[in-house]
Amino acid sequence: GAVVSQHPSWVICKSGTSVKIECRSLDFQATTMFWYRQFPKQSLMLMATSNEGSKATYEQGVEKDKFLINHASLTLSTLTVTSAHPEDSSFYICGGHAGLREQYFGPGTRLTVT
Amino acid sequence: GESVGLHLPTLSVQEGDNSIINCAYSNSASDYFIWYKQESGKGPQFIIDIRSNMDKRQGQRVTVLLNKTVKHLSLQIAATQPGDSAVYFCAAPMGNTPLVFGKGTRLSVIA
Repeated sequence: GAVVSQHPSWVICKSGTSVKIECRSLDFQATTMFWYRQFPKQSLMLMATSNEGSKATYEQGVEKDKFLINHASLTLSTLTVTSAHPEDSSFYICGGHAGLREQYFGPGTRLTVT
Repeated sequence: GESVGLHLPTLSVQEGDNSIINCAYSNSASDYFIWYKQESGKGPQFIIDIRSNMDKRQGQRVTVLLNKTVKHLSLQIAATQPGDSAVYFCAAPMGNTPLVFGKGTRLSVIA
């Protein structure tokens, strides 16, 4: 299957700061990328969908001004958590596909806000 | 509302036995269904998918069965191995959402 990488794999930040998470499709061009959030022992919840070169579409209840998504190229999407708070601590996973049915997922980024 | 759910949160299986993980869905308009495996601290890994016009699909040691009449999906793992221990999610497109994930079933393989 296709490979998606995420960086960093884990990050600890202080409350009120911003954190950027990168998602890269390594061996395919991801026309669409997805960002999910997963709390412990729970399922993946879609936060937003982004298409290269256009604004992201956010799911209901997800603050677009807090979770900034940029999909500048067919292989790179970034998620910036602005003014992070402890309740933003979670496992963030990106996924991408190139028009095929299955999404390929990154390894995830564990964010801890202190 | 629309949902993709799993019948059991945990499943324990003896090594070498077959595992069956079940999933129920509510939206009969989904074109396909996917099973993912997620190991601790990692992202989901694609296992197998099935189109809605099929009722069975086989892969390597895995079989997915789709019963559209009762809106039920199952993943069968043959000769379960310790490396199969993980959380398994069924997922399907629903409405405008490209993929909705079920709650997950944790499979534990007993050696």
